[in-house]
Amino acid sequence: EDQVTQSPEALRLQEGESSSLNCSYTVSGLRGLFWYRQDPGKGPEFLFTLYSAGEEKEKERLKATLTKKESFLHITAPKPEDSATYLCAVQATRDDKIIFGKGTRLHILP
Amino acid sequence: NAGVTQTPKFRILKIGQSMTLQCTQDMNHNYMYWYRQDPGMGLKLIYYSVGAGITDKGEVPNGYNVSRSTTEDFPLRLELAAPSQTSVYFCASRRQAAREKLFFGSGTQLSVL
Repeated sequence: EDQVTQSPEALRLQEGESSSLNCSYTVSGLRGLFWYRQDPGKGPEFLFTLYSAGEEKEKERLKATLTKKESFLHITAPKPEDSATYLCAVQATRDDKIIFGKGTRLHILP
Repeated sequence: NAGVTQTPKFRILKIGQSMTLQCTQDMNHNYMYWYRQDPGMGLKLIYYSVGAGITDKGEVPNGYNVSRSTTEDFPLRLELAAPSQTSVYFCASRRQAAREKLFFGSGTQLSVL
């Protein structure tokens, strides 16, 4: 059974304090790993897709990386507007299900 | 551009009542998904569809039914509402190619009392 585990569940950082969020996955053949951002009361918004071990993608203060067992979302010098829940999801090669983890709630203090 | 539209935004049901959550998309996406999100939790897949007339179960399908008669619409039916179905429901769609991103609606907040 495909599984996605995210850690930590919640993270509070000072503005400018860099850190990383973890997404560990178990899937029989990875088609793609996705990162989404979700603001309160809204649907998730797409950030990145990764599918090959060693791959990296960047967008502003965010960088996502992928290994064979986990992905990291690195946040460099975060700002209060980066506060949100970050969700990780995987799609296996055998079907079209997209399975999500529980997310990490990130709070950046000014 | 409307994208993915969900109605209603809020609904309160009594135990045992039935209702249909509507989802429509105007991007001509073949793939559509229904998720539920409980407080402080991630998204759980209920059902998904890869095209008109084709649906399949996700992680938590019990208590729900779906149909897909057109490319645009993917309604979710609750037949006998239970308190355990209190949640926020999200509909999403994507293009057919591998690794395509999901586009989400704004959600339906459902309370069953």
